[in-house]
Amino acid sequence: DAMVIQNPRYQVTQFGKPVTLSCSQTLNHNVMYWYQQKSSQAPKLLFHYYDKDFNNEADTPDNFQSRRPNTSFCFLDIRSPGLGDAAMYLCATSRDRARGNIQYFGAGTRLSVL
Amino acid sequence: KNQVEQSPQSLIILEGKNCTLQCNYTVSPFSNLRWYKQDTGRGPVSLTIMTFSENTKSNGRYTATLDADTKQSSLHITASQLSDSASYICVVSAQYSGGGADGLTFGKGTHLIIQP
Repeated sequence: DAMVIQNPRYQVTQFGKPVTLSCSQTLNHNVMYWYQQKSSQAPKLLFHYYDKDFNNEADTPDNFQSRRPNTSFCFLDIRSPGLGDAAMYLCATSRDRARGNIQYFGAGTRLSVL
Repeated sequence: KNQVEQSPQSLIILEGKNCTLQCNYTVSPFSNLRWYKQDTGRGPVSLTIMTFSENTKSNGRYTATLDADTKQSSLHITASQLSDSASYICVVSAQYSGGGADGLTFGKGTHLIIQP
């Protein structure tokens, strides 16, 4: 059974129209991450939550926001998507800090911006 | 700067053949190295994780090796199957800071295609 679930699998939005991507986990892990992955590129960390503590990467655009209302759920909000934001968005979890723990990834949400 | 370089960028082999993928890294101080398999349009799935003291680790037909002295790792796939077609990503973890806030530095991956 899937342990990290991302919805939807495919999302199409219009330029400038806000969009929210969803991630849920059944592992009860403390840490949840959002990565952006463009074609043939390595995943790029946007931010992560350690429990309720939000950690933003320095180069993550302000256009990207995140919410974690409880342990199981984490959302990625893109306030005004641009054409350059079209990518695969990966959610991952780990029991504790990723450097010492296996990360479990969801299947990803493929975002298209028209 | 922490970096992970993978080679080759892409590889095509015939079904049933073996292949070896390479990963060189400059991440320091080193904590562990992971290999992930990422099917097209899916999230990465962990294959192996190795710490400093481990030289080799197997997961079915996948065998990873680690040389912490030369900072090199390889992933060997034996008797390849069509389902092995995927990207294989090498990820290195730093002990403290270094890499992203997650402490991880991702390679760009090797895109492997298995032909019947």
